[in-house]
Amino acid sequence: AQSVAQPEDQVNVAEGNPLTVKCTYSVSGNPYLFWYVQYPNRGLQFLLKYITGDNLVKGSYGFEAEFNKSQTSFHLKKPSALVSDSALYFCAVRRSGSARQLTFGSGTQLTVLP
Amino acid sequence: SAVISQKPSRDICQRGTSLTIQCQVDSQVTMMFWYRQQPGQSLTLIATANQGSEATYESGFVIDKFPISRPNLTFSTLTVSNLSPEDSSIYLCSVVEDLRSNYGYTFGSGTRLTVV
Repeated sequence: AQSVAQPEDQVNVAEGNPLTVKCTYSVSGNPYLFWYVQYPNRGLQFLLKYITGDNLVKGSYGFEAEFNKSQTSFHLKKPSALVSDSALYFCAVRRSGSARQLTFGSGTQLTVLP
Repeated sequence: SAVISQKPSRDICQRGTSLTIQCQVDSQVTMMFWYRQQPGQSLTLIATANQGSEATYESGFVIDKFPISRPNLTFSTLTVSNLSPEDSSIYLCSVVEDLRSNYGYTFGSGTRLTVV
């Protein structure tokens, strides 16, 4: 069975500093990995994905993520955090086989301090 | 990518009643998914809705409590039946697009249900 772990419930970072939100996964076969962001009282917004190709994936709002197969990780990063980046971030992996459902991590609340 | 219209955006319901949530997609999609997000928690898959066949439910979710309809490739409904305060959650629908040029998931804006 597939699973996703986000080891940090909360990440605090000062504005202008780099941020990292961690994600590790477990899935058989080639992983399809996704990051989503959820602002208060709003739906899920897609940030970026890894399907195949370059290990460094660039996404929306200046975010990027690095796929590391040996460490089974897909950490979300941004070189310079903004206060407006404060939100709830979810990592997700597609189930293996013919099923296409996503399995989500527990979420990480990012707070960027001014 | 697909655009999903999910209704209602929020509702307050009495115990013992039911709420039906609708999702309309602007293109034909094979698979639609229904998720629940309980307060302060992650998304949990309720079921996969396939056109022309019964929905496939995840462990812990049953058809009597969460009946789903999928009459065509652009529309689905989720009903939450016999409501209790524990059903207070955000419910989201989602579709997957498996295109050669793109692969991705789109989510509806969610329905915030409060049971009183």
